[in-house]
Amino acid sequence: NAGVTQTPKFQVLKTGQSMTLQCAQDMNHNSMYWYRQDPGMGLRLIYYSASEGTTDKGEVPNGYNVSRLNKREFSLRLESAAPSQTSVYFCASSEDGASFPDTQYFGPGTRLTVL
Amino acid sequence: QKEVEQNSGPLSVPEGAIASLNCTYSDRGSQSFFWYRQYSGKSPELIMFIYSNGDKEDGRFTAQLNKASQYVSLLIRDSQPSDSATYLCAVWPEGGGSQGNLIFGKGTKLSVKP
Repeated sequence: NAGVTQTPKFQVLKTGQSMTLQCAQDMNHNSMYWYRQDPGMGLRLIYYSASEGTTDKGEVPNGYNVSRLNKREFSLRLESAAPSQTSVYFCASSEDGASFPDTQYFGPGTRLTVL
Repeated sequence: QKEVEQNSGPLSVPEGAIASLNCTYSDRGSQSFFWYRQYSGKSPELIMFIYSNGDKEDGRFTAQLNKASQYVSLLIRDSQPSDSATYLCAVWPEGGGSQGNLIFGKGTKLSVKP
């Protein structure tokens, strides 16, 4: 059981470039999440998918798009990267975002630098 | 604005002592509460959750919840240098869950000195 996996682990982009961060989970979870973590700001939710076929905005969605490809995979796309998007990105999954208590499990993270 | 507050630290304790980490939250209707540990450069990993008032123990860790005071804490007994990490408090607010909005505090950095 790999849990939650993310690719790539590190990435450097130039301003204006695009890229997609990949996330997959093998725990048969229904809900998946994308967070960013910045020094002094804590974890902030970008987008989430409560179930396959649905996605919703979180606290900081501007500049990002997501795709829930299937139950296992949830990708995050930066269409035109900006230096403000330099951050560590974490994907997480949980069994069912509507259950109680619902526990989120995190992937190893992607460290993104935008020059 | 629903908030979760933690002292950023660093909290420094000697090896073998009890480390006490505190968290307050603003949403009185919050339902469940999670403690995550995050080592430097790594991802958050769940330590434990609590949703009833009182204490919940798991090995050297004890979570304490007081909903009337909107306060949750994590005690680490017999602290070890390997416990040195940032501890994140997370809260499931009222109406949360299906809305994906688990709210995280900014974390308290704990340093256990040998």
